[in-house]
Amino acid sequence: GQNIDQPTEMTATEGAIVQINCTYQTSGFNGLFWYQQHAGEAPTFLSYNVLDGLEEKGRFSSFLSRSKGYSYLLLKELQMKDSASYLCAVRPENQAGTALIFGKGTTLSVSS
Amino acid sequence: GAVVSQHPSRVICKSGTSVKIECRSLDFQATTMFWYRQFPKQSLMLMATSNEGSKATYEQGVEKDKFLINHASLTLSTLTVTSAHPEDSSFYICSASEQGVVDYTFGSGTRLTVV
Repeated sequence: GQNIDQPTEMTATEGAIVQINCTYQTSGFNGLFWYQQHAGEAPTFLSYNVLDGLEEKGRFSSFLSRSKGYSYLLLKELQMKDSASYLCAVRPENQAGTALIFGKGTTLSVSS
Repeated sequence: GAVVSQHPSRVICKSGTSVKIECRSLDFQATTMFWYRQFPKQSLMLMATSNEGSKATYEQGVEKDKFLINHASLTLSTLTVTSAHPEDSSFYICSASEQGVVDYTFGSGTRLTVV
């Protein structure tokens, strides 16, 4: 089966750094995605990892270890607007028309 | 970038009626679109994969006769919730990927409330 785990909730303060972990066990692997979703809105793409290592994009970084089935999303210099749900998703196959499998999402609350 | 337009954004319908949700890829051709359902504080659950010109592939536990999917063109896929019941109330969202582009583009979602 497909299993993607991430913490349900996290809290942090403005200006801090937070790391959201994701572990996965899927039938195959062809990339891991991180999305941000505000309540009632569509997910927006944050990052993509297919090879081991760290991908940095501004205040957001994402890390992948394929051997460990593990990824994390690192958010730096937190802002209030970063309060949202963060979804970890895996593409299990390298074929056109392959759907993403999503974790349950981590709700991040940023306080002042 | 790629844009997927989804309509309506919100709909309230009476129990027993049918509701159609449309997703259009505005500036690219989407051979495949995906339909997800999201309950409050839950993640996106894949309902079906919609392929242009052929029958949709439904996930286990999703009733194909209740959730009718049509993908008649390379830019339009529709999901019809037939004989809706209150338990069908949810957030429905579509997504598509553009050839040669890594990420997936999501529609803005449809909040369905069945009363």
